[in-house]
Amino acid sequence: AQSVSQHNHHVILSEAASLELGCNYSYGGTVNLFWYVQYPGQHLQLLLKYFSGDPLVKGIKGFEAEFIKSKFSFNLRKPSVQWSDTAEYFCAALIYNQGGKLIFGQGTELSVKP
Amino acid sequence: DVKVTQSSRYLVKRTGEKVFLECVQDMDHENMFWYRQDPGLGLRLIYFSYDVKMKEKGDIPEGYSVSREKKERFSLILESASTNQTSMYLCASTPTGPYEQYFGPGTRLTVT
Repeated sequence: AQSVSQHNHHVILSEAASLELGCNYSYGGTVNLFWYVQYPGQHLQLLLKYFSGDPLVKGIKGFEAEFIKSKFSFNLRKPSVQWSDTAEYFCAALIYNQGGKLIFGQGTELSVKP
Repeated sequence: DVKVTQSSRYLVKRTGEKVFLECVQDMDHENMFWYRQDPGLGLRLIYFSYDVKMKEKGDIPEGYSVSREKKERFSLILESASTNQTSMYLCASTPTGPYEQYFGPGTRLTVT
């Protein structure tokens, strides 16, 4: 069955540290990939998405992600985190033969120390 | 802006009660989804709907049912609530095609 895996369950960083959150998916066909973020007490909201084209996609708040097809990966990066980036981050894949269903990873909780 | 609203932010129910969670979207989206979110498990799909009166089981449909009588509204029903259904429930919608899903604020349900 198709799945999405996030390597880190909880990441703790100091402000200004660089961030990379891992995401791998298991499907050999066409996928659309997403990173969602959930700030404490808020809606799940879209951070960035990859559909096609340039594999390096930029999202809101200085986040970016790189799609590497050969590694089935879509890792999220930010060069310098801020305390306000404290949130839970979810990677998700939209698999074409599954209609509009998203498959989510387990989530990574990011805590940024001021 | 797309808006997805859910009827309650917090709900406390007793074991055995019938529970209704309502979701409304205002963007004429064809597809609507119900997830539950639990720590360490991410979001798991309960049910989804591609059209009015259509429904499809997701990954964890047991103990739940849904209703979609109007395009903008998708209801999740717990026929007889149990303590293991204590969770955060999220509703989402999307138009047909490869688009991102738009999420509601969630309902935190506690079953005692």
